[in-house]
Amino acid sequence: GAGVSQSPSNKVTEKGKDVELRCDPISGHTALYWYRQSLGQGLEFLIYFQGNSAPDKSGLPSDRFSAERTGGSVSTLTIQRTQQEDSAVYLCASSPTTSTDTQYFGPGTRLTVL
Amino acid sequence: EDQVTQSPEALRLQEGESSSLNCSYTVSGLRGLFWYRQDPGKGPEFLFTLYSAGEEKEKERLKATLTKKESFLHITAPKPEDSATYLCAVSILTGGGNKLTFGTGTQLKVEL
Repeated sequence: GAGVSQSPSNKVTEKGKDVELRCDPISGHTALYWYRQSLGQGLEFLIYFQGNSAPDKSGLPSDRFSAERTGGSVSTLTIQRTQQEDSAVYLCASSPTTSTDTQYFGPGTRLTVL
Repeated sequence: EDQVTQSPEALRLQEGESSSLNCSYTVSGLRGLFWYRQDPGKGPEFLFTLYSAGEEKEKERLKATLTKKESFLHITAPKPEDSATYLCAVSILTGGGNKLTFGTGTQLKVEL
C-alpha cells in the first residue's frame, strides 16, 4: 500500500516569507508526528496529532511554527516569517495509534531559507 | 533529560567485515528502543523495536540487542548495499503519545 507522502519534496524560500509543508499519512493511521532534521543533528520532535487534536506541541521551536490536521488525515506544518535557522529537512511519520510503537516516515521536505 | 548517544559517528568496513554499532541511552523510563536505517535524501526506514533487556531481533545480516543502558546493532558479513546511516531512537513511558528521541546516527560505508 501507499506509504507516507510529503509535499513539496524541496522548498526554497526567502527570509521572512511563510511556507506550508504537507503530510499525507498512511490510510487509517490515527497518529501523526512531525520531526525536523538539521545538518549534523539528530531528528528532533516537533508535534504530534492523535486524530485532529495535538496533545503535545512541546517541540515547536517558536510561535512562528504551527500545525493542523483536518479530517484525521492530512496535516500541514506552517512556518511564518521564515528565518535561515529554519533550513532543515522536515519529516512526517504516522502510526496506527499513539500506543502503537512503530512510526513510518515519509521522504521529507527539504526547506532552504535564503 | 532523555539522551541518546550513538558511536561511532562514522564507520568504514570492507565487504564481509563484521562489526557493531552502539547506542547508549539515559531515560526516565524506557518504553521502547528503535533502530532505523536512513539512505541519503530519504526518510528513515524502520528496522527493529526492542522493549526489554536481553531481547534480540534479527533481520538478514542485522541483529539488534538491548541491555539496561545500551543497544547494539551487529552487522554480519556486510555488503555495499548495507551502506547507510543507522539511527537509534527511544520512546519513554508517559501519559500519552509516543514521541521519539533520536541519536545523531552512525554513518556506515561498506566497500568492496
